Amino acid sequence: GDSVTQMEGPVTLSEEAFLTINCTYTATGYPSLFWYVQYPGEGLQLLLKATKADDKGSNKGFEATYRKETTSFHLEKGSVQVSDSAVYFCALNTGNQFYFGTGTSLTVIP
Amino acid sequence: GAVVSQHPSRVICKSGTSVKIECRSLDFQATTMFWYRQFPKQSLMLMATSNEGSKATYEQGVEKDKFLINHASLTLSTLTVTSAHPEDSSFYICSAPFVTGAHETQYFGPGTRLLVL
Repeated sequence: GDSVTQMEGPVTLSEEAFLTINCTYTATGYPSLFWYVQYPGEGLQLLLKATKADDKGSNKGFEATYRKETTSFHLEKGSVQVSDSAVYFCALNTGNQFYFGTGTSLTVIP
Repeated sequence: GAVVSQHPSRVICKSGTSVKIECRSLDFQATTMFWYRQFPKQSLMLMATSNEGSKATYEQGVEKDKFLINHASLTLSTLTVTSAHPEDSSFYICSAPFVTGAHETQYFGPGTRLLVL
């Protein structure tokens, strides 16, 4: 069945470090792929998305490229900030149903 | 942008009571809304799909009589946890798809923290 496998955390980085959170998926058809972020005490927010192969989603310095050949959608940021500390969820949408990864907790220390 | 709200944001109740959680799309209409449950340190689990004007579709393993869903209008879906027990304590999140042309974006509510004593 459809599923998302996400890099386990927690991840702790120093400010300005490079971030990669791996995400791979299994799906039939052509899903849309998403990264959601959950800040402490808040609900999920859409961070970025890509709807077809080779699309790159980007927002707030974060990027992820939809790679069909490797079934991946890794999240990257060149220089993280303390305010990026949150839990990040990779997700896919096939038709009208979402599948989420388990979430990766990121802590950025000054 | 599109906004989805949930009410209440936090609720504490006694075991055996029922709790109603509202999910509203504030500036758009949604014929479908989704209810998720998030356990600590775990991913969201889709519980059911709420359909305006018809019965909700429940995921396997989710008790229909336990988690009553009513999609009363194009902007409101409610989840009622009946006869709540401590194991129902969780973070409940709803989402609604916002469609513009051929694009659809899922917007999530802020979540409702339920604690059953």
